[in-house]
Amino acid sequence: NAGVTQTPKFQVLKTGQSMTLQCAQDMNHEYMSWYRQDPGMGLRLIHYSVGAGITDQGEVPNGYNVSRSTTEDFPLRLLSAAPSQTSVYFCASSSPRNTEAFFGQGTRLTVV
Amino acid sequence: SQQGEEDPQALSIQEGENATMNCSYKTSINNLQWYRQNSGRGLVHLILIRSNEREKHSGRLRVTLDTSKKSSSLLITASRAADTASYFCATGSGGYNKLIFGAGTRLAVHP
Repeated sequence: NAGVTQTPKFQVLKTGQSMTLQCAQDMNHEYMSWYRQDPGMGLRLIHYSVGAGITDQGEVPNGYNVSRSTTEDFPLRLLSAAPSQTSVYFCASSSPRNTEAFFGQGTRLTVV
Repeated sequence: SQQGEEDPQALSIQEGENATMNCSYKTSINNLQWYRQNSGRGLVHLILIRSNEREKHSGRLRVTLDTSKKSSSLLITASRAADTASYFCATGSGGYNKLIFGAGTRLAVHP
């Protein structure tokens, strides 16, 4: 099982550029979410989805868009990158039952 | 703001010693989970304790939950150098069981 796969692993963007971080899971999980992790901090929730076609905002949604057209995929879009978005991004998935989340290996994004 | 707050922020011990990390949270929860993160890697789930449970064991891990004090502790017994990592607590709440993470405890186990 691949679990949760994130691409790319590393990315450098210039301020104002746009890009999409990809996330795919093969566990048929209904719930998927995106987090960012900044140095010395825990993970902060950006956006989440409880199923195909349903998304909602987390703690720090500004500057990010998401959509969920299939159960498997949950891409995160940065419309106009800013240096404050330099971070490590993690995607996670889980089932509707009261269970743990499975995380991808992360995307390290630097905005210059 | 983050739901869970871990204490201590950093912990340094010798191999064979026990390591205890604490987590406090603010609102009602469905469950509390502990995750481990090795440097530069993704998070790995360690153990989940539900709001109606008080203690849970998994191998060398022991988790307690006190909902009246809104706190939890993770005990790692007989630590090994390979346990060196950051440990995060996360509270699950709401119908979606949305996870909110604390800032973590950095554990260093010296041979």
